[in-house]
Amino acid sequence: DAGVTQSPTHLIKTRGQQVTLRCSPKSGHDTVSWYQQALGQGPQFIFQYYEEEERQRGNFPDRFSGHQFPNYSSELNVNALLLGDSALYLCASSLGGSSYEQYFGPGTRLTVT
Amino acid sequence: KNEVEQSPQNLTAQEGEFITINCSYSVGISALHWLQQHPGGGIVSLFMLSSGKKKHGRLIATINIQEKHSSLHITASHPRDSAVYICAVPDMYSGGGADGLTFGKGTHLIIQP
Repeated sequence: DAGVTQSPTHLIKTRGQQVTLRCSPKSGHDTVSWYQQALGQGPQFIFQYYEEEERQRGNFPDRFSGHQFPNYSSELNVNALLLGDSALYLCASSLGGSSYEQYFGPGTRLTVT
Repeated sequence: KNEVEQSPQNLTAQEGEFITINCSYSVGISALHWLQQHPGGGIVSLFMLSSGKKKHGRLIATINIQEKHSSLHITASHPRDSAVYICAVPDMYSGGGADGLTFGKGTHLIIQP
């Protein structure tokens, strides 16, 4: 049984560009949450998807958007990249939200130059 | 919004020592997560607990809901336990409910042989 997978592993982009990160949840999980972790900091909640809809959103600008597909996989899109968007992006899947055990993917390391 | 405080921020100990990491939060919660993060980024869920105590191998987690406090203990610590330990709680974000996790800043643990 595959755990949570994320792609790509690493990514380098230029300021102003757009990026799409992907997450496949653990088999059977219907909820995907995305987190941004800057170097030396704790993860920050971006948003959570359930049944193909954004259920909750953290304090991130509209440049951050997402999508969940019928197979529960999810994408995180970031437009108009800023240097400050450089971070590790983590997704976590669960059976029903943050009161359930969370399974984290290995993360995507995004560097914006 | 929940305020999550962890202590200590950094801890260096000798192999075999008993380790305690503390976490306190400001708003009542449904569950608390203890997570482990190794260099390179991957996060592993250690415990999710809503009351009492849980044990897994040499790891023990306790929570006191009334005092809004949780502790993570490591018995007979080993160099392979060296990692960042993070507590996280479900929190209120836009969209309703309490499903995005708010994280503590983490405890950097180093176990020396």
